[in-house]
Amino acid sequence: DGGITQSPKYLFRKEGQNVTLSCEQNLNHDAMYWYRQDPGQGLRLIYYSQIVNDFQKGDIAEGYSVSREKKESFPLTVTSAQKNPTAFYLCASSIGVGRREAFFGQGTRLTVV
Amino acid sequence: AQSVTQLDSQVPVFEEAPVELRCNYSSSVSVYLFWYVQYPNQGLQLLLKYLSGSTLVKGINGFEAEFNKSQTSFHLRKPSVHISDTAEYFCAVSGEGTYKYIFGTGTRLKVLA
Repeated sequence: DGGITQSPKYLFRKEGQNVTLSCEQNLNHDAMYWYRQDPGQGLRLIYYSQIVNDFQKGDIAEGYSVSREKKESFPLTVTSAQKNPTAFYLCASSIGVGRREAFFGQGTRLTVV
Repeated sequence: AQSVTQLDSQVPVFEEAPVELRCNYSSSVSVYLFWYVQYPNQGLQLLLKYLSGSTLVKGINGFEAEFNKSQTSFHLRKPSVHISDTAEYFCAVSGEGTYKYIFGTGTRLKVLA
């Protein structure tokens, strides 16, 4: 079955540590996205990538980094510079420019302890 | 710039009653509109989408939405809700020539027995 796989589902991090969230898709989609979800704030765009080896900052990129070395993979690193990293992180992909829906993974809940 | 407003953060409704979840958008380009549903600790699932053509769009689980360009709205409706419809619903907009999806802050639908 085609889809988007995020791992792990739950992640705990100590303050001051970097952590990487995995996102893999087998839909052959060009575009991939990372969103952060906090209660009452909806989904906020962190980074997105239109094509391999290219990515752009979204609205809340500070404290995060990404890479897009392969079409099917778009990992997100939450760095120690992110002041409030506890949140639900969602990865998505789409076939391309605007005229199609985005498909979502099941999310990773990150908790800083 | 594009934006989405979901004015109702929570909507309680009794089982088998009709429901309308409101969504208004702003955009300077041709829009594509989406409604997603999210169950607790899961990703987003597409309910329906408007890309072009008929302004009345039917989706899964008995939901429908109407695109109203003059009122810049895309309200979601269901004539008779079930307990299982209890979830959070997100309206999203994309546009011609853009890779980005902008999400509203979500509406939590609670169906009461």
